[in-house]
Amino acid sequence: KQEVTQIPAALSVPEGENLVLNCSFTDSAIYNLQWFRQDPGKGLTSLLLIQSSQREQTSGRLNASLDKSSGRSTLYIAASQPGDSATYLCAVDNTDKLIFGTGTRLQVFP
Amino acid sequence: GAGVSQSPSNKVTEKGKDVELRCDPISGHTALYWYRQRLGQGLEFLIYFQGNSAPDKSGLPSDRFSAERTGESVSTLTIQRTQQEDSAVYLCASSLDHQPQHFGDGTRLSIL
Repeated sequence: KQEVTQIPAALSVPEGENLVLNCSFTDSAIYNLQWFRQDPGKGLTSLLLIQSSQREQTSGRLNASLDKSSGRSTLYIAASQPGDSATYLCAVDNTDKLIFGTGTRLQVFP
Repeated sequence: GAGVSQSPSNKVTEKGKDVELRCDPISGHTALYWYRQRLGQGLEFLIYFQGNSAPDKSGLPSDRFSAERTGESVSTLTIQRTQQEDSAVYLCASSLDHQPQHFGDGTRLSIL
């Protein structure tokens, strides 16, 4: 059974810092891995999707890496801003459904 | 708008009542998913529809839960004889096959 874990559970940093959010999964037989952002009372916004054959994806200040063999993904956020405050979820696509981690709650203060 | 639309956005009901939640996916998306997010917990997969294939119901927690989808259009999730533990945010997502899932804002269900 696929299990997804995210570390840390919560993070509070001053703006401008570069951040690392970690995601690990137990079953490497995945189609892809996706990082989402969730704002309070809202649905999920897809940030990056890495196919199983890829090693990383970049979008603006965000960079996600995937090491399928070790069951790990990392989301880097460069030069964090208060607007980045949200919960970040990683999810693996395992047999056509997403298995989610419990998220990292990020707060960036001015 | 062109996003996934869910209704109602909030629903409060008494224990034992039936509820029906609606999801309008993005036009052309063949796949539709329902997830549940309980307070302080991660998202749990409930059910997955792909085209005209039989749905994957492996995540439904009990036989009180059911879902239907009309072709590649709207889906309804029905919870019968609601219990307090059914209180959660129910999220719907749609996608093309193995492409990023696009989520609605969810229905916040509260069982009194």
